[in-house]
Amino acid sequence: GENVEQHPSTLSVQEGDSAVIKCTYSDSASNYFPWYKQELGKGPQLIIDIRSNVGEKKDQRIAVTLNKTAKHFSLHITETQPEDSAVYFCAAGGRGAQKLVFGQGTRLTINP
Amino acid sequence: GAVVSQHPSRVICKSGTSVKIECRSLDFQATTMFWYRQFPKQSLMLMATSNEGSKATYEQGVEKDKFLINHASLTLSTLTVTSAHPEDSSFYICSASEGSVNQPQHFGDGTRLSIL
Repeated sequence: GENVEQHPSTLSVQEGDSAVIKCTYSDSASNYFPWYKQELGKGPQLIIDIRSNVGEKKDQRIAVTLNKTAKHFSLHITETQPEDSAVYFCAAGGRGAQKLVFGQGTRLTINP
Repeated sequence: GAVVSQHPSRVICKSGTSVKIECRSLDFQATTMFWYRQFPKQSLMLMATSNEGSKATYEQGVEKDKFLINHASLTLSTLTVTSAHPEDSSFYICSASEGSVNQPQHFGDGTRLSIL
């Protein structure tokens, strides 16, 4: 089955700098890659997603890139702000089952 | 849009009690709902997938008689933890999807279950 590896597990950046989180997946049939932000005591919130027919997607300060050949995708957050501090999860899905397999999560801390 | 409401947010009860958790899609029809379990500082572990009007599909290692799932309508799914024990204490989260392949999953805010 699908396996998703996420790095780093923790990331600390200065406010205003950029943050990058990377994920790799194992199943070449996966074709849907969402990113979620989870704040303490809350459920995950979808922040951006990408499908395999595109290589990059951007939404204001957030962008995701996908390299299907290498089977990896990345989340880029620019001009980071304290409210970006949270745990971020990548996931991979497809194959008609609608199931998502999640990465292990990255705890992002933005230092003021 | 795409709001999922989960209730209750927190439950504390005695060992042996059965606990029901509700998951509702408020502004869309959820053909498929998912139930996850999350341990502290860990990722989400899928427990089961439920489609409206049919039996849930459980992941390997998840006891279907222990975790009863009902998806009776396009806006409501319930998870009942039967005869709960301290090892069932966890954060349970539901998500809902409009159903066709690769539609986003939208998550509720979870239920913190503590069994004494």
